[in-house]
Amino acid sequence: KQEVTQIPAALSVPEGENLVLNCSFTDSAIYNLQWFRQDPGKGLTSLLLIQSSQREQTSGRLNASLDKSSGRSTLYIAASQPGDSATYLCAPEGGDYKLSFGAGTTVTVRA
Amino acid sequence: GAVVSQHPSWVICKSGTSVKIECRSLDFQATTMFWYRQFPKQSLMLMATSNEGSKATYEQGVEKDKFLINHASLTLSTLTVTSAHPEDSSFYICSVPTGYTTMGGYTFGSGTRLTVV
Repeated sequence: KQEVTQIPAALSVPEGENLVLNCSFTDSAIYNLQWFRQDPGKGLTSLLLIQSSQREQTSGRLNASLDKSSGRSTLYIAASQPGDSATYLCAPEGGDYKLSFGAGTTVTVRA
Repeated sequence: GAVVSQHPSWVICKSGTSVKIECRSLDFQATTMFWYRQFPKQSLMLMATSNEGSKATYEQGVEKDKFLINHASLTLSTLTVTSAHPEDSSFYICSVPTGYTTMGGYTFGSGTRLTVV
């Protein structure tokens, strides 16, 4: 059973700082790894998908890296803004096309 | 992009009653939908895979007679929590696989907050 750990559980930074969110998973036999954003009481918004054969994926201020063999992924958010405040979820997708979620990192960006 | 509509967004019900949650794929035909449950400060846990025209597949530990899933069309899946108890209070979210892009592979509903009193 895939176990996903996200560190830190919470993070508070002043606006403009870069954010580093870490994710580790126990089963390296993944199809891809996805990062999501969840606002309080809301559903999930897709951010990035990294295929198992890729090392990183970028979209705007977001960059995600993947080291499949060591079971790690990192999400970098550059020049953080108050609108980036949310919970960020990491979810490796197994060969059975099922997502396993971490508990998330709750980010607060202070204006 | 694909749009998934989930209703209701919140519901309060009395213990022992049943509650139905709808998940609609507005612009995408979905042969498969997923139902998750999320307790406060915890991760999303997959409950079941809803299959259009056939029985749902439940994850280990999820009572199929308590959480009834119906996927009668390519655009609608429903989750009915039967004989609800306070411990069923949770946030329920559905998702639809919508094809892989650099952003992701699933579109999620906005979730339903269920409170059983």
